[in-house]
Amino acid sequence: SQELEQSPQSLIVQEGKNLTINCTSSKTLYGLYWYKQKYGEGLIFLMMLQKGGEEKSHEKITAKLDEKKQQSSLHITASQPSHAGIYLCGAPPSGSARQLTFGSGTQLTVLP
Amino acid sequence: EADIYQTPRYLVIGTGKKITLECSQTMGHDKMYWYQQDPGMELHLIHYSYGVNSTEKGDLSSESTVSRIRTEHFPLTLESARPSHTSQYLCASQKAGGTYNEQFFGPGTRLTVL
Repeated sequence: SQELEQSPQSLIVQEGKNLTINCTSSKTLYGLYWYKQKYGEGLIFLMMLQKGGEEKSHEKITAKLDEKKQQSSLHITASQPSHAGIYLCGAPPSGSARQLTFGSGTQLTVLP
Repeated sequence: EADIYQTPRYLVIGTGKKITLECSQTMGHDKMYWYQQDPGMELHLIHYSYGVNSTEKGDLSSESTVSRIRTEHFPLTLESARPSHTSQYLCASQKAGGTYNEQFFGPGTRLTVL
């Protein structure tokens, strides 16, 4: 079965700093979702990547999928307290799997 | 903004009680899911449905049951709640017809069983 490993597990940054969260898959990714979750709440869809080398941006958040399609990174520029939360990567089903696989998440704290 | 709702948002009950967690979506999505998530831990799929009268168990074994009598409604029931059921339960829906359609999540129900 496919496994997604996220790093770091937690991250504390000062407001205004840039940061990067990584998601590594044990198998080739046929797509990669990024979600954000505030503690105790549901997941908010950020963006989805499908093609090797693809890069998407939304406001100050940029996500990339590497050419080999086994790793994705989420980069936040000039972080703000509103960026705080848990960031999860998810992969659509592949092979015999029928459901999304999620990483364990990265807890981001942005200090004002 | 996704139109998927969960009630109640928070529930504290005693051991042995029967409870039903509600999940409704107004997007007409055929696919719906229930995930269980402990604080700071991964999401685990416990049930899913690809349409009316279709339900399947997910990767994580669960003592809960689900039903899908209407497209928009996917309730989860615990016949006899136990402290080990304390967790957050997240419902999601997805448009059918494409493997890569994103899942929309509800706000979650945080369940505490005393």
